[in-house]
Amino acid sequence: AQSVSQHNHHVILSEAASLELGCNYSYGGTVNLFWYVQYPGQHLQLLLKYFSGDPLVKGIKGFEAEFIKSKFSFNLRKPSVQWSDTAEYFCAVRVSGGYQKVTFGTGTKLQVIP
Amino acid sequence: GAGVSQSPRYKVAKRGQDVALRCDPISGHVSLFWYQQALGQGPEFLTYFQNEAQLDKSGLPSDRFFAERPEGSVSTLKIQRTQQEDSAVYLCASSLALASLSYNEQFFGPGTRLTVL
Repeated sequence: AQSVSQHNHHVILSEAASLELGCNYSYGGTVNLFWYVQYPGQHLQLLLKYFSGDPLVKGIKGFEAEFIKSKFSFNLRKPSVQWSDTAEYFCAVRVSGGYQKVTFGTGTKLQVIP
Repeated sequence: GAGVSQSPRYKVAKRGQDVALRCDPISGHVSLFWYQQALGQGPEFLTYFQNEAQLDKSGLPSDRFFAERPEGSVSTLKIQRTQQEDSAVYLCASSLALASLSYNEQFFGPGTRLTVL
């Protein structure tokens, strides 16, 4: 079965700092990869996804993620964070060609200090 | 349009009580998922419906957990004889996905926070 590891549980950054959140998955086959975000008091929502093609994917609000197959990684990046990026971020994986089941990581809480 | 709604938003139960959690998916969404999110953890898959058919219930932690979606719309997750370890946020998600091989974005509800005393 697939699994997802997020190594940073809590990250604190000042505004304008650069962000990189690590995500590694374990599954030997083809996968679809996702980053979800949960802002305080809001629903979990999709930030970006990778299915195929260009391994560098861009999502909403200036976020991007790079799929590195050889490293089983899908790290999330943003060049300059804002206070409004304070949220919890979840990496997730789905087995490509399988059905809809998505496996989530444990999440990373990001706190951006003004 | 309206998103996924869940009720109640908060539920406190005494150990041993039965609870029922409701999910109203986005209208027209075929697929419906239940997840359990314990404190400090990511959502963990419980079960999946396509219309009224429960295609996967492999994530249900015990036979005390039961989910149904009799008319292919609203779904109820029932937990019998609740235990303290059942305390968690229960999330519902729905998607347009019609086929098992394609993927459509899952839209999540706000969750029901269950506390078992």
